[in-house]
Amino acid sequence: SYELTQPPSVSVSPGQTASITCSGDKLGDKYASWYQQKPGQSPVVVIYQDNKRPSGIPERFSGSNSGNTATLTISGTQAMDEADYYCQAWDSIAVFGGGTKLTVL
Amino acid sequence: EVQLVESGGGLVQPGGSLRLSCGASGFTFTNYWLSWVRQAPGKGLEWVASINQDGSEKSYVYSVKGRFTISRDNAKNSLSLQMNSLRAEDTAVYYCAREWYSNGRHFDYWGQGTLVTVSS
Repeated sequence: SYELTQPPSVSVSPGQTASITCSGDKLGDKYASWYQQKPGQSPVVVIYQDNKRPSGIPERFSGSNSGNTATLTISGTQAMDEADYYCQAWDSIAVFGGGTKLTVL
Repeated sequence: EVQLVESGGGLVQPGGSLRLSCGASGFTFTNYWLSWVRQAPGKGLEWVASINQDGSEKSYVYSVKGRFTISRDNAKNSLSLQMNSLRAEDTAVYYCAREWYSNGRHFDYWGQGTLVTVSS
């Protein structure tokens, strides 16, 4: 079965750039999406189709996907960006990565 | 405003059954695929099942095949998940999610979730 691998945790200082990776076999041949989930809340899509931002998502969120790795980049990270982030792709079924806890400190 | 509201969660014994519902509003229900996604306590997201616009196509994660059934009632703008032969590992918050399916596929709106606890 298809698997997506994320680092369990990433730390970043306020105002710096955070990068969260998602690895999967030939992931670049698929579209990757990214979801943000804050404690006690439902997930929210922040990136879809590799690099598209839904309306209302700040420009500091961007995405890329090539080869075996998709990357979510948060530029000028703010305290409000502290959350769990999940990558997701379709391989006949929907597959989620294990999630990455982003800490802003 | 798109709204998805789940209901039907609760405590059930192992081997028991439960039916979840998701009421939708704020969009043309018959234009969208819909899914159930679950999250076990303290764990990550896991897709459970999807259904197409008219209910003719359904898919499931392997671990629930033969036990769970996804369905929809387009006249009532409602999505359901019938869960039978429940196991402790089915304990999770179950989210209803709308799929954006056009040159790519992602979950663009999520409900608030309903908690299912399988325990004796």
